[in-house]
Amino acid sequence: QQQVKQSPQSLIVQKGGIPIINCAYENTAFDYFPWYQQFPGKGPALLIAIRPDVSEKKEGRFTISFNKSAKQFSLHIMDSQPGDSATYFCAARKDNFNKFYFGSGTKLNVKP
Amino acid sequence: NAGVTQTPKFQVLKTGQSMTLQCAQDMNHEYMSWYRQDPGMGLRLIHYSVGAGITDQGEVPNGYNVSRSTTEDFPLRLLSAAPSQTSVYFCASSSGSRFSNEQFFGPGTRLTVL
Repeated sequence: QQQVKQSPQSLIVQKGGIPIINCAYENTAFDYFPWYQQFPGKGPALLIAIRPDVSEKKEGRFTISFNKSAKQFSLHIMDSQPGDSATYFCAARKDNFNKFYFGSGTKLNVKP
Repeated sequence: NAGVTQTPKFQVLKTGQSMTLQCAQDMNHEYMSWYRQDPGMGLRLIHYSVGAGITDQGEVPNGYNVSRSTTEDFPLRLLSAAPSQTSVYFCASSSGSRFSNEQFFGPGTRLTVL
């Protein structure tokens, strides 16, 4: 049973578009929600993260929206660029023992 | 700082063989984890450690062993490799601080079991 459900599986947008990736969870014990970016042949790298007491967080062109009551959170990429083409993973952490659960990933392709 | 290093980068095994995937970090992180990445399934936690001498199972621990004798090293052992263990394996570390939760990932080991 997947603890964090991510959609869509893949996404194609034009340069300048705003791709949106969605994640949903059930376990209310999760207390930290990061997004990771992964390029082919590399390990994931932290992009941006949010705690459930905040509804939105922005870092540069990346924004997380968090809806605690719906148990959903999403990543928005403003003014997307071809260099943003990568696979994006959402994750959720249980405070105890720092255990992370990952979504299944979204492969983003930003066309020039 | 080298960050998180993993060896080997690639490995091919025959069914039934055993091997150890190495992971080391030089950031003095308490928490270390092993994940496997399979298409369409994201990263799944195999085993994790919250400090030297302390390990526990993650979501998919069967067929794997770990130990943590030092803060720096966290090797993953495949006892008797099976084709179902063909995957990309990532090691990660974090400080474990409630206010600094970033996990740092290694470059991965691509394992094929024939």
